Amino acid sequence: KAGVTQTPRYLIKTRGQQVTLSCSPISGHRSVSWYQQTPGQGLQFLFEYFSETQRNKGNFPGRFSGRQFSNSRSEMNVSTLELGDSALYLCASSFGTVPGYTFGSGTRLTVV
Amino acid sequence: QQPVQSPQAVILREGEDAVINCSSSKALYSVHWYRQKHGEAPVFLMILLKGGEQKGHDKISASFNEKKQQSSLYLTASQLSYSGTYFCGTEGSGGSNYKLTFGKGTLLTVNP
Repeated sequence: KAGVTQTPRYLIKTRGQQVTLSCSPISGHRSVSWYQQTPGQGLQFLFEYFSETQRNKGNFPGRFSGRQFSNSRSEMNVSTLELGDSALYLCASSFGTVPGYTFGSGTRLTVV
Repeated sequence: QQPVQSPQAVILREGEDAVINCSSSKALYSVHWYRQKHGEAPVFLMILLKGGEQKGHDKISASFNEKKQQSSLYLTASQLSYSGTYFCGTEGSGGSNYKLTFGKGTLLTVNP
């Protein structure tokens, strides 16, 4: 079965712009989480959605937002991009009763 | 609070064993282990739950010491395919907070 699909794979944006990243979870998975991965900070939790509701949010500024649609697909948005937002953004989905998360291959965002 | 992983890096020859530790200063409900190869998504290996038993996955197993809030990942008779960065992800006591806090990772290199 298809895995977690993230689009686009690579993105280059200019400081001050905004960006939207997309994540399609494994069919049947209703929980979608987002993580930011950088060499310095590692994997950091952004937020988690289940049935279109945000159940938890990490310690990121309000410029980072997300949402989940009725088909469980999720998007995250970063407004007013800063150089420090350059990172690999990973989406992970889970089934709930089955332990563990399945990660997508990520979107590599470069802010210049 | 981010769990602390040790060692930061380890180099093995095929067939050798390794232990990776993950320690938290907070009471834990669960510990997840993931492996990430360069340029790829993290892959779920196993989960250890509070009160649970040691888990195993082929020649990779793990334990969870609740008193010390520490988990260890054991890789025996390592294979070239074991190379990658290993992350532990912890979920705080009480569970169901829908987020993992990851350690900074341990880079494992297995040479022929």
